[in-house]
Amino acid sequence: EAQVTQNPRYLITVTGKKLTVTCSQNMNHEYMSWYRQDPGLGLRQIYYSMNVEATDKGDVPEGYKVSRKEKRNFPLILESPSPNQTSLYFCASSPDGLREETQYFGPGTRLLVL
Amino acid sequence: GQQLNQSPQSMFIQEGEDVSMNCTSSSIFNTWLWYKQDPGEGPVLLIALYKAGELTSNGRLTAQFGITRKDSFLNISASIPSDVGIYFCAGLSGTYKYIFGTGTRLKVLA
Repeated sequence: EAQVTQNPRYLITVTGKKLTVTCSQNMNHEYMSWYRQDPGLGLRQIYYSMNVEATDKGDVPEGYKVSRKEKRNFPLILESPSPNQTSLYFCASSPDGLREETQYFGPGTRLLVL
Repeated sequence: GQQLNQSPQSMFIQEGEDVSMNCTSSSIFNTWLWYKQDPGEGPVLLIALYKAGELTSNGRLTAQFGITRKDSFLNISASIPSDVGIYFCAGLSGTYKYIFGTGTRLKVLA
């Protein structure tokens, strides 16, 4: 089954404790992206990757890091989480990022930073 | 960061009614997209629009790409209870960066 998976689905952590949210897709997609969703603000793009070893900042990259060493994986890293990073995070993938019919979103990761 | 203005923010409607929502931007986009998000799930693409003035339908949904390329509209005809959810517009300027609207929360009263 074609899908985007994220782990963990729920996470509670404390300020300053490094964490990684994993994202994996099994569709051989070139393009992957991370978003955060906050009430009243919709989805905001954090980082995206056009291909392996090619990443770029979205609208709200501060406090986040990403890496794309393999085509299927695109982890989101919070080196020193802060409470303002409490949010619902989505990973998405699509064949090339420029045609949108098949952008798939993962199920989401709900993060609470205390 | 840039965001799209989406209205209304929320709406309650009676089952069977038609629904209209819109999205505006200060920037031009080459592509407009409409997504629906069900509770506890990620957004799912409903309609994609690629040309100014384009009108595209997907079942009971119809969306239009504004002539100025700075706005888009989504209409849902004869709403049903399963239409409940959050609807997002998104714009793509051709640079791999997606800009999403703030969402319209739709509630349908049976």
